[in-house]
Amino acid sequence: DTAVSQTPKYLVTQMGNDKSIKCEQNLGHDTMYWYKQDSKKFLKIMFSYNNKELIINETVPNRFSPKSPDKAHLNLHINSLELGDSAVYFCASSQEDRRTEAFFGQGTRLTVV
Amino acid sequence: GNSVTQMEGPVTLSEEAFLTINCTYTATGYPSLFWYVQYPGEGLQLLLKATKADDKGSNKGFEATYRKETTSFHLEKGSVQVSDSAVYFCALSDHGAAGNKLTFGGGTRVLVKP
Repeated sequence: DTAVSQTPKYLVTQMGNDKSIKCEQNLGHDTMYWYKQDSKKFLKIMFSYNNKELIINETVPNRFSPKSPDKAHLNLHINSLELGDSAVYFCASSQEDRRTEAFFGQGTRLTVV
Repeated sequence: GNSVTQMEGPVTLSEEAFLTINCTYTATGYPSLFWYVQYPGEGLQLLLKATKADDKGSNKGFEATYRKETTSFHLEKGSVQVSDSAVYFCALSDHGAAGNKLTFGGGTRVLVKP
């Protein structure tokens, strides 16, 4: 069983389109995250949800909108895609305790052409 | 704010060589420290962690000790294998009022040659 699964794994789309990435965790964790990894492998948090409530929003453009229908799911919707949005997006989950590690999904490689 | 600095790669080694990847951090609170590994085409996996000063994390022959006095968490392995080729990320987690999040270093690519 995959602990944190995200779909799709690859996403190629044109500028201006709207797309969504889905994420599900079966670990019973309270907190879920979206991280962005750029072409130089640098990782930065975008959002964090705890029990369906938005906790962290790190200066991400309004075109990015996370949605958490329940605490096992955290989806990422992106409007009006731009070339600079091309990156690998990772979903992760953890318990709220800072001493516990986060579990990551396989990543979604988004390419905007 | 929090930050993590790790040595830039790539680091190229021969099999059975000794590996060290330096990591230093800046944090306002008392963070937990982690090393994550990313194999080609895959997500991040936890390699090891330490949650308080002087703790040593270890896994798969890798070790790192939480040094509060030098704000460091250097990763070491005594004898690397080709299968250790990956990108290694040092990270800290500091639970603040805004919730729990990981702050990552820039990653160090390690290439082990037979």
